[in-house]
This record gives sequence, C-alpha cells and structure tokens, in this order.
Amino acid sequence: AQKITQTQPGMFVQEKEAVTLDCTYDTSDPSYGLFWYKQPSSGEMIFLIYQGSYDQQNATEGRYSLNFQKARKSANLVISASQLGDSAMYFCAMREGNTNAGKSTFGDGTTLTVKP
Amino acid sequence: GAVVSQHPSWVICKSGTSVKIECRSLDFQATTMFWYRQFPKQSLMLMATSNEGSKATYEQGVEKDKFLINHASLTLSTLTVTSAHPEDSSFYICSASDRGQLAYNSPLHFGNGTRLTVT
Repeated sequence: AQKITQTQPGMFVQEKEAVTLDCTYDTSDPSYGLFWYKQPSSGEMIFLIYQGSYDQQNATEGRYSLNFQKARKSANLVISASQLGDSAMYFCAMREGNTNAGKSTFGDGTTLTVKP
Repeated sequence: GAVVSQHPSWVICKSGTSVKIECRSLDFQATTMFWYRQFPKQSLMLMATSNEGSKATYEQGVEKDKFLINHASLTLSTLTVTSAHPEDSSFYICSASDRGQLAYNSPLHFGNGTRLTVT
C-alpha cells in the first residue's frame, strides 16, 4: 500500500483565492513527520511546512497552513491568497521515526496552476 | 544554513559516455546523502542512500554498476552514470543530511538538481 497518497494530479485556483491540496498517509510508527515541498518548473525542491505526529496544533508558515487530522491520517496543505508564483508541483512527504533509516516517502504530487 | 550545491545543473552527453554529478554540502557535514531520480511530472524515486566512508545502499531495481555513488568526504558525494543511454535521461536530485537532520522532524535539504539528456 502507498504510504503517501495525493489524489489530485492537477488543481486550478484563481489568484487571491485559497486552495487545499490533499494528502493522506499510512504508517504504524507512532513517531513521524509530515512535510510539504514545492517544486517549480526550474526543478528545485523548496521546503514549505512541517507537522509532527505529536504536535497538538496545526502548523502554519505565512500563507501556508497544514490541516492535520491524525485520526483520518490526513495532512492537507492550505494555501491562502494564491499568487501566480504559487504555480508549481507540490509534494507531500513523510519521515518515520523508527523505520526507514531517515528516508522520506513522497506522494505522486499535485500540479497547481494559479489563474490570473 | 543547510545549503546543498549540486553540479552541473544540466548536462548533455552522447550515448555510451559516463557523466558525473556532484552534490556538496556547503555549511554542514553531510554524513548521509540521498540520490533521487525524477521523470517529468512524476514523483521523486529514491535511488540510493550513501553514508560517508561506506558503500551506498541501493534501492531495489537500481543497478549499482550503472549508477556509481561515491561519498568519500563529509561534504561531497558523487553520482556517476556509466555508459549512459537515452533511457537514463532524467532529472537527478540529491539531498544531504547531517546526523541530526536524519530525525523524522527534520526536512530534507536538496540540491537544485541535474537534468541529464543522453543523445
């Protein structure tokens, strides 16, 4: 079974509106971290936001927030006030504390297009 | 902090030649490097994990004789694509971690990637 699932291959959003990118995960490790990365067309991977499995509150970083629902094993990324520069591919990833020796597991990604 | 430099950013080579890609940690000691391959519009696929001073651990299905990884120092790891063929054309990206950055609450620090085109 896939450890990270992103069900939206592509998403469109109007500039200045908010958008939610979905991510569900699967692990039996009680210690894990969930990450979102942005990959523009130039290729570099940019870290956006982190949520730990023991964190009680949802993470926020500027216009990015993470809607963490532990019981449902979901970690959706919310981008508020979308900008044209937000157009990129977005990856959800997980690192487990006691398995996988520090490796990260990535979802298939969601391509976000912001319309002017 | 945690800057990772990858070079070259793009390379075109002829079929049958070898290509070396470098990944350097600029402001920390990278005890572990991860090498990924990515096809257009797809996810990152982990190829191998290298630890400084030891042999790389390859993921299932990755040819170790084809993709040679050397992690001889705490700041440099190299990936050599040997006898490259057009099907090796892809985007290769590395990430580097020190011991603390292997923790589950630490994000990966990536190089900017290398686009390899084999003609």
